[in-house]
Amino acid sequence: EDKVVQSPLSLVVHEGDTVTLNCSYEVTNFRSLLWYKQEKKAPTFLFMLTSSGIEKKSGRLSSILDKKELFSILNITATQTGDSAVYLCAVVTFGNEKLTFGTGTRLTIIP
Amino acid sequence: DSGVTQTPKHLITATGQRVTLRCSPRSGDLSVYWYQQSLDQGLQFLIQYYNGEERAKGNILERFSAQQFPDLHSELNLSSLELGDSALYFCASSGHTDTQYFGPGTRLTVL
Repeated sequence: EDKVVQSPLSLVVHEGDTVTLNCSYEVTNFRSLLWYKQEKKAPTFLFMLTSSGIEKKSGRLSSILDKKELFSILNITATQTGDSAVYLCAVVTFGNEKLTFGTGTRLTIIP
Repeated sequence: DSGVTQTPKHLITATGQRVTLRCSPRSGDLSVYWYQQSLDQGLQFLIQYYNGEERAKGNILERFSAQQFPDLHSELNLSSLELGDSALYFCASSGHTDTQYFGPGTRLTVL
């Protein structure tokens, strides 16, 4: 059975800090890994990663995938209170387009 | 705004009843996915439709069914509702990539 594990489950930091969120996976026929941010309601798309070692960047957020070690990290620099959310990692496999989600990391930024 | 719409936003009903949740995908997207999010289970894939045809099924209960219409909107039907069906139900759509865009969700409360 496909498995996606995120750590830590919860993280509390001060505004301005840098955080690293982790996502590891055990799946058959990996195709892509996606990161989403979920605040009050719907998950919003952040990044999709398919190739190892290529960093995706958007403002203060960046992410990278390691297909050999089967994990990805999401970095947020100079955190702001608006970054407080649950960050979800999900994996897609060949032959099945569904997203298999991890349980998420709840990030809280203290002003 | 992801471009995916869902109605209604909230639904309160009694055990044993039947409800229908509606989703309109982003313009041009042929795939529609339904997910259930509960506190103890996280985001779980229910079912996928592609251009009117069922493409993949997850852990969807027999009491639940879905369809996608020629105009590509989709409906999720939940019947013989139980207290444990109370959850957030999300619809997502995708085009030619693995990225899925989520609607705002329907919060179902079964009393």
